[in-house]
Amino acid sequence: AQSVTQLGSHVSVSEGALVLLRCNYSSSVPPYLFWYVQYPNQGLQLLLKYTSAATLVKGINGFEAEFKKSETSFHLTKPSAHMSDAAEYFCAVSASNAGGTSYGKLTFGQGTILTVHP
Amino acid sequence: NAGVTQTPKFQVLKTGQSMTLQCAQDMNHEYMSWYRQDPGMGLRLIHYSVGAGITDQGEVPNGYNVSRSTTEDFPLRLLSAAPSQTSVYFCASSYFRDAQETQYFGPGTRLLVL
Repeated sequence: AQSVTQLGSHVSVSEGALVLLRCNYSSSVPPYLFWYVQYPNQGLQLLLKYTSAATLVKGINGFEAEFKKSETSFHLTKPSAHMSDAAEYFCAVSASNAGGTSYGKLTFGQGTILTVHP
Repeated sequence: NAGVTQTPKFQVLKTGQSMTLQCAQDMNHEYMSWYRQDPGMGLRLIHYSVGAGITDQGEVPNGYNVSRSTTEDFPLRLLSAAPSQTSVYFCASSYFRDAQETQYFGPGTRLLVL
């Protein structure tokens, strides 16, 4: 079984400041990890994913995340926030089976709403 | 490709009514799944399918039925709607290739049960 905890349901930053959204996971098998973004009244957009290759993963819109196995973390960062980054962000984990697929099943965190102030 | 499509976009039901949320994908993906999104709870898996004719329960399956007669379609049925089923429903399809799993989400269906 796997689970995801996102620390902080709301994060507020100033435009130009560092964005840090925290995600910790638990998984009994090597996980795949994902960050999704959801703009108001829209669907989910994949920001980036970790699939056991490089531990530092770069995504779209200047976001990146680092997989730290020892800390069971996959925190999302962006050096400089932009007003357009205001959205809700979800961390998700999938547990692969011996063949490497999770059959599309994801476990999501509860989400973090990012507010960006001018 | 249209990707993952969902209909309707918005629906209002009365308690006890039944309805089917439609989901279709034109990418020939093996795996499809349904999630519900509730404030402060993220997305939770309702049912999933690993291929035509094969479905299984997720985390919150009670009150929902699914079937998958074709690769393309994966409808979600509410047999007797309850206010607790007021939510936003997302359908997703995915495939696994070259040790990578890739998911595609539909735009969602917003359901209000009165």
